[in-house]
Amino acid sequence: GENVEQHPSTLSVQEGDSAVIKCTYSDSASNYFPWYKQELGKRPQLIIDIRSNVGEKKDQRIAVTLNKTAKHFSLHITETQPEDSAVYFCAASIPLDMRFGAGTRLTVKP
Amino acid sequence: NAGVTQTPKFRVLKTGQSMTLLCAQDMNHEYMYWYRQDPGMGLRLIHYSVGEGTTAKGEVPDGYNVSRLKKQNFLLGLESAAPSQTSVYFCASTGLAGVTDTQYFGPGTRLTVL
Repeated sequence: GENVEQHPSTLSVQEGDSAVIKCTYSDSASNYFPWYKQELGKRPQLIIDIRSNVGEKKDQRIAVTLNKTAKHFSLHITETQPEDSAVYFCAASIPLDMRFGAGTRLTVKP
Repeated sequence: NAGVTQTPKFRVLKTGQSMTLLCAQDMNHEYMYWYRQDPGMGLRLIHYSVGEGTTAKGEVPDGYNVSRLKKQNFLLGLESAAPSQTSVYFCASTGLAGVTDTQYFGPGTRLTVL
């Protein structure tokens, strides 16, 4: 089955800096790559997603890039704010089988 | 429109006890999923359903059973709870295209098995 690796496991940045989280996947059939943000004690919330026919997608301060050849995708958060502090999960999916990375705990220091 | 709801929010069981977790969605979604989340391991798919009356195994199905008797409800059962099943359980649903569409998660159920 699909295997998703996520790095780093923890990331600490200063407010206003950028943060980058990287994921790799193993199954070339994966065609959907969402990113979720999870605050402590809350449910995962989708923040951005990308499909396999697109290389990059941006939504305000958040962007995701996908390199299908290398089987990796990344989340970029610019101008980080303290409210961006949370655990971020990447996922890779073939239909009806979504596999998640282990998560990255992002801390934004004011 | 409540989205995806789960009951109960918390539960403590003794080893060997049984229980059922209920997930309900009011978005008329076809696909529903049960995940478990353990520290440092992300979410892992237990079982899923592609429609009323259908269920299928996910990545970690052992020790769990599910039923989808009504389109809006997806039940997760533990017949004989074990400490290894201590986890946070999330239900999710998607609309038309299965997992290639946005998954909406419920608030989670925190289960502790002593």
